[in-house]
Amino acid sequence: NAGVTQTPKFRILKIGQSMTLQCAQDMNHNYMYWYRQDPGMGLKLIYYSVGAGITDKGEVPNGYNVSRSTTEDFPLRLELAAPSQTSVYFCASGPTGLAGGQETQYFGPGTRLLVL
Amino acid sequence: EDQVTQSPEALRLQEGESSSLNCSYTVSGLRGLFWYRQDPGKGPEFLFTLYSAGEEKEKERLKATLTKKESFLHITAPKPEDSATYLCALEIAGSARQLTFGSGTQLTVLP
Repeated sequence: NAGVTQTPKFRILKIGQSMTLQCAQDMNHNYMYWYRQDPGMGLKLIYYSVGAGITDKGEVPNGYNVSRSTTEDFPLRLELAAPSQTSVYFCASGPTGLAGGQETQYFGPGTRLLVL
Repeated sequence: EDQVTQSPEALRLQEGESSSLNCSYTVSGLRGLFWYRQDPGKGPEFLFTLYSAGEEKEKERLKATLTKKESFLHITAPKPEDSATYLCALEIAGSARQLTFGSGTQLTVLP
């Protein structure tokens, strides 16, 4: 299993440009999440999905959009990039129910985004 | 408001010098407390989940404990390879398995 994969690894955007961060998981997890992590800070939830066709806002959704057409994929769209969106973005997935105490979210390697 | 606070922000230890990291929290209803390890340039890696006060879990040199207000990550006889940022996260009861993260403790173990 590849786990959670993210592309690209690094991207530089100009102010006002748009892009899509890709995320895929092969663990058949229903739940998927997007977080951003600023330097020296913990992760903040942007959007999440509890299954295909169902998405909802997290703590910091402004400036982002998501879609979930399949169980495997959960892309994050940035429209009109701003310097405040410079961050590291992590995608994660997780199972729905209890699994013997080992339930958790599994994280991808991250996408580093710089908006200039 | 649900809050998670980790201390210290940074910790430098000599190899073999045991210590503890703290995660204190105020939440309306806790479903689980998670500890993750994060290496530079990588995503968080799962270490432990704790569900109820009094619970303890161990893995190699790490031991996590939970009370009603805080969790400790005890590191016994650390090695340089234990150097990383350790993140604490809460899952709030009734949420869609969302995690609320602390800002982390950056641990450096010197040889």
